[in-house]
Amino acid sequence: EAQVTQNPRYLITVTGKKLTVTCSQNMNHEYMSWYRQDPGLGLRQIYYSMNVEVTDKGDVPEGYKVSRKEKRNFPLILESPSPNQTSLYFCASSLSIKGYSPLHFGNGTRLTVT
Amino acid sequence: QKEVEQNSGPLSVPEGAIASLNCTYSDRGSQSFFWYRQYSGKSPELIMFIYSNGDKEDGRFTAQLNKASQYVSLLIRDSQPSDSATYLCAVRNYNNNDMRFGAGTRLTVKP
Repeated sequence: EAQVTQNPRYLITVTGKKLTVTCSQNMNHEYMSWYRQDPGLGLRQIYYSMNVEVTDKGDVPEGYKVSRKEKRNFPLILESPSPNQTSLYFCASSLSIKGYSPLHFGNGTRLTVT
Repeated sequence: QKEVEQNSGPLSVPEGAIASLNCTYSDRGSQSFFWYRQYSGKSPELIMFIYSNGDKEDGRFTAQLNKASQYVSLLIRDSQPSDSATYLCAVRNYNNNDMRFGAGTRLTVKP
């Protein structure tokens, strides 16, 4: 089944404790992206990747890191989480950012930082 | 000014009615337009995309695009309670490697 898989689905952590949210897609998509979703603010892009070893900042990159060592994986790293990073996070992938290929979303990760 | 604007709602319609959801965007270079449905706590799922001016129909859904007015809409005919969700408008300008989302319109269909 074609899908984007995120783990974990729920995560509660404390301020400053490094964490990684994994994202994997099995559709051979070139483009992958991370979003956070907060009430009233919609989906805001954190980082995106056009292909292996090519990543770039989105609108809200502060406090986050990403890597794209393999085409299928695009982990999101919070080196020192803070309470303002409490949010619902989505990984998404697309065949390409060009044209009409839509974004396919993972099931989301609800992160709480206390 | 927000780049993709949607009325946050809630928009409430009776079962069987037509629901009309609107979206305006600021980037004139935008080339393709998407509507996603998102149930509470779930991930967005694609309903339709459109890239040419005019209407595009898929079952009970019709997307309408007017690039001159920078306006895209989604009509849902014969609305069902299961259509109750938040609808996200997304706009892509692939010259900028960019896809922007509106904050969404919450739709409630009352039985």
